[in-house]
Amino acid sequence: GIQVEQSPPDLILQEGANSTLRCNFSDSVNNLQWFHQNPWGQLINLFYIPSGTKQNGRLSATTVATERYSLLYISSSQTTDSGVYFCAAPSYNQGGKLIFGQGTELSVKP
Amino acid sequence: GAVVSQHPSRVICKSGTSVKIECRSLDFQATTMFWYRQFPKKSLMLMATSNEGSKATYEQGVEKDKFLINHASLTLSTLTVTSAHPEDSSFYICSARLSGVNTEAFFGQGTRLTVV
Repeated sequence: GIQVEQSPPDLILQEGANSTLRCNFSDSVNNLQWFHQNPWGQLINLFYIPSGTKQNGRLSATTVATERYSLLYISSSQTTDSGVYFCAAPSYNQGGKLIFGQGTELSVKP
Repeated sequence: GAVVSQHPSRVICKSGTSVKIECRSLDFQATTMFWYRQFPKKSLMLMATSNEGSKATYEQGVEKDKFLINHASLTLSTLTVTSAHPEDSSFYICSARLSGVNTEAFFGQGTRLTVV
């Protein structure tokens, strides 16, 4: 099945800084999602982005499907951005179940 | 986006008892729902795929008699942890997709189970 790898595993930022999180996947996909898990455990959908670029406020994401990676950009980070960011892609030879990366734990300091 | 509601958000139970967790799709019908387990500082691990009107499909290593899944309607799936033990303590999260494998998945709020 598909392998999903994220980097970096941990990231500490000063408030106001920008950051880039990376997600590599081993097989071609038609579905790639980014999530933010807040301190209470809730998974918040950030982007559904099989290809191309999308923006939502201070966050944007780009998926280059042909090169099997996706990037999540966070600009002007705020303390409320802290938490774990996951990317996930379906494993088509395993019934399409979503395979999650190991996550990037982001901590934004005031 | 679509809304998936999970209940309860927290539960504490005694060893040997059973606990039921509900997962509802509030504004769409979900023929398939997914149950995940998450350990502290770890990623989400798929436990089983819940199919409306048929038996759930369990991932390798997941005890189907321990984790009973019922998907009785197009908007409700339940996970029952039977004869709970402290090692079953964990964070359980359900998910549903709008339709096929390439559609967006949405997650419930999660349930933190503590077995004492």
